[in-house]
Amino acid sequence: AQKITQTQPGMFVQEKEAVTLDCTYDTSDPSYGLFWYKQPSSGEMIFLIYQGSYDQQNATEGRYSLNFQKARKSANLVISASQLGDSAMYFCAMVNSGYALNFGKGTSLLVTP
Amino acid sequence: DAKVTQSSRYLVKRTGEKVFLECVQDMDHENMFWYRQDPGLGLRLIYFSYDVKMKEKGDIPEGYSVSREKKERFSLILESASTNQTSMYLCASSLSYRTYEQYFGPGTRLTVT
Repeated sequence: AQKITQTQPGMFVQEKEAVTLDCTYDTSDPSYGLFWYKQPSSGEMIFLIYQGSYDQQNATEGRYSLNFQKARKSANLVISASQLGDSAMYFCAMVNSGYALNFGKGTSLLVTP
Repeated sequence: DAKVTQSSRYLVKRTGEKVFLECVQDMDHENMFWYRQDPGLGLRLIYFSYDVKMKEKGDIPEGYSVSREKKERFSLILESASTNQTSMYLCASSLSYRTYEQYFGPGTRLTVT
């Protein structure tokens, strides 16, 4: 069975600093995809970044990068130069041979001035 | 902009009522999903559909049913609402089996009294 673990219920970071949100996963399927979503207080889920299990390079999207360590089964999200608008819940998710995403329980990030 | 819409942002129903949550996507996506989100539990999959009239149970289907009569519309039905179904309900869609990124609607916060 698949499992996504986010061990940090809450994180604080100062504006303009970088922050790493942890995610570990467990799957026996060699083909899978890893996602990060952001959920602001308004409730909508916003796709941030995707990493495929066979991708050779770590994914990057603007200020977001995914630190993919396949042997350790980790897929940490790095946000560089944090902004106040980054304050939100962040969810790590995985999909393998099925259709649906399995989500972690989320990490609440608060960016302070 | 292409998007996923849900019929209500907030809904209050009484115990025992039949409740319909509607979701519509305008991206011609094949796959549609219903998730439930509760604090500390992340998102959990209720049902998904990979084609018109096709559906699969997710992790927590008990007490729910779904209907997909048209490609763009996916309905979640609570046959007899109970207080433990008070939650945030999120609908999502994805293009196809090989395209994993899911687009989410704004969510419906359902309260059952």
